[in-house]
Amino acid sequence: QQQVKQSPQSLIIQKGGISIINCAYENTAFDYFPWYQQFPGKGPALLIAIRPDVSEKKEGRFTISFNKSAKQFSLHIMDSQPGDSATYFCAAKLQGGSEKLVFGKGMKLTVNP
Amino acid sequence: NAGVMQNPRHLVRRRGQEARLRCSPMKGHSHVYWYRQLPEEGLKFMVYLQKENIIDESGMPKERFSAEFPKEGPSILRIQQVVRGDSAAYFCASSPAAGGQAFFGQGTRLTVV
Repeated sequence: QQQVKQSPQSLIIQKGGISIINCAYENTAFDYFPWYQQFPGKGPALLIAIRPDVSEKKEGRFTISFNKSAKQFSLHIMDSQPGDSATYFCAAKLQGGSEKLVFGKGMKLTVNP
Repeated sequence: NAGVMQNPRHLVRRRGQEARLRCSPMKGHSHVYWYRQLPEEGLKFMVYLQKENIIDESGMPKERFSAEFPKEGPSILRIQQVVRGDSAAYFCASSPAAGGQAFFGQGTRLTVV
């Protein structure tokens, strides 16, 4: 119930392509869904986040799509660049509960030039 | 404004020794969170602290692990009698208030030999 399942585990695409990362959850008490980007040897950095009352949020080349009925959300990276090569984590936080984030296992993205 | 500072960045301990990991939150942040990341895994919540108080320790192992966030000074994650399975990256995050965006440090990579 507290899990967030992320797929795929890895993705290799060419520069300019669209990267899509999917996450699914079971607990309907989650009410905040952030995406983090992590480079090797660094800590995770918040990319973009969404709440369940919104179906889509876009910031630059990054877009979150949220499907409340399916309990799924996804990150789309448009015009992917080699500098986007990193590990991406989806996460979720419980409504009104602890501040802890529940993370997916991550997806390693490689963007070839 | 310096980010979340963690030290040391790398720590090697022999089995049975103690490990002390330090986290200085961002200026003005009074909420601290510790997460553990095993290789090829997502981050797992360990503990959430405010100044001088443990708010949620539901992710802390019952034995050998403790955390504090004193009125003055950094937050400390202490692991007594380390075992090989404690080898991981430990990340600290801070936020200015409950529900605020959490910023992560660069982590401490603990290796138990």
